[in-house]
Amino acid sequence: KQEVTQIPAALSVPEGENLVLNCSFTDSAIYNLQWFRQDPGKGLTSLLLIQSSQREQTSGRLNASLDKSSGRSTLYIAASQPGDSATYLCAEPTKAAGNKLTFGGGTRVLVKP
Amino acid sequence: SQTIHQWPATLVQPVGSPLSLECTVEGTSNPNLYWYRQAAGRGLQLLFYSVGIGQISSEVPQNLSASRPQDRQFILSSKKLLLSDSGFYLCAWRGNGDGELFFGEGSRLTVL
Repeated sequence: KQEVTQIPAALSVPEGENLVLNCSFTDSAIYNLQWFRQDPGKGLTSLLLIQSSQREQTSGRLNASLDKSSGRSTLYIAASQPGDSATYLCAEPTKAAGNKLTFGGGTRVLVKP
Repeated sequence: SQTIHQWPATLVQPVGSPLSLECTVEGTSNPNLYWYRQAAGRGLQLLFYSVGIGQISSEVPQNLSASRPQDRQFILSSKKLLLSDSGFYLCAWRGNGDGELFFGEGSRLTVL
């Protein structure tokens, strides 16, 4: 069974510190991995989609890396700000019909001013 | 550009009442559509997905049903709500293939 794990479940850092969020997956034959942000009571916002052929993807202060051999993806957020406080989720699509995503449990981030 | 709309945003329903949540996507055609539920303190659970009009796949046995009467419309329903149906319901879409998944703003359902 395909599984996606995010550890830690919660993280608190002072403003300005770099954030490192981890995502582990069991299916090394993935074809992409997606990172999302969720603010309390809101839907999920797509941050980055990294294809299996890529080792990393960047958008502004965000950088996501992908290591299929170790089954890991890491989301880096540089120079964190209080506005980065949210829950971050990673997800991997299945190869079954519908390309359904399997989600990790998320990491709840608090950036303290 | 593509957008996804989901409503109502919030609703409070008594046990045993019916439910209808609606989701529509604009700016794309023949999307894959999904309904997820996020219960308090729990992760995202896929409820239904659809790869085309009238094609619905159910992921878990439950008190809910889904329908896709039009290409860009996805409806989540129940004939009689249970307390356990409370949660945050999210509609999502993606194009064919393995592209990005995009979510609506969600509908918070409280069953009393």
